[in-house]
Amino acid sequence: DTGVSQNPRHKITKRGQNVTFRCDPISEHNRLYWYRQTLGQGPEFLTYFQNEAQLEKSRLLSDRFSAERPKGSFSTLEIQRTEQGDSAMYLCASSLAAGRDSFLLGANTGELFFGEGSRLTVL
Amino acid sequence: AQSVSQHNHHVILSEAASLELGCNYSYGGTVNLFWYVQYPGQHLQLLLKYFSGDPLVKGIKGFEAEFIKSKFSFNLRKPSVQWSDTAEYFCAVSINSGTYKYIFGTGTRLKVLA
Repeated sequence: DTGVSQNPRHKITKRGQNVTFRCDPISEHNRLYWYRQTLGQGPEFLTYFQNEAQLEKSRLLSDRFSAERPKGSFSTLEIQRTEQGDSAMYLCASSLAAGRDSFLLGANTGELFFGEGSRLTVL
Repeated sequence: AQSVSQHNHHVILSEAASLELGCNYSYGGTVNLFWYVQYPGQHLQLLLKYFSGDPLVKGIKGFEAEFIKSKFSFNLRKPSVQWSDTAEYFCAVSINSGTYKYIFGTGTRLKVLA
């Protein structure tokens, strides 16, 4: 399967523990996104990378959250000192900024390819 | 900041009925618009997108959407739904300046009765 891969798919942890999620994007994709989705809500933007640079972080991303994308390939999202309110599905998506997007500086027309998500339950 | 509203949270239709799901966005500049679908147990996938040209765009599985700039809307339509269209549908927007993020609506859960 050459799609976006996320692991673990499910994580149950106790409040106060740290958790880390990994995302492997489609190999040629240069943009990588993290979203969070709770029941009855749409995906909420957390952060994105272009290659290895983290270009934007949502205010939803508290100091307990950190994301990295070393070498511009896979990414990790770490949540420290988890709280019950962190329980959610964490989605990763990747896209390729090329062609029209490169020609029109700052354009953002590409399709997002999503992974299956990592479901976090904090007890 | 841009936002997306989907006013229909739950829709129940019988097979062969017509579908229209509303999507409105708030942003005064140029936007790119998307509809994504999430079938039960599957990941989000693109149905269709609009970024320029003909405001009526056609996507997969017989879906289409119309961009009406004056109404800030991008409604999704399908003339005749099937049981297999049961899914959750999300509208999303991106803009062409300052940020590469995509903003999603809260979604509409569609149930099609056989």
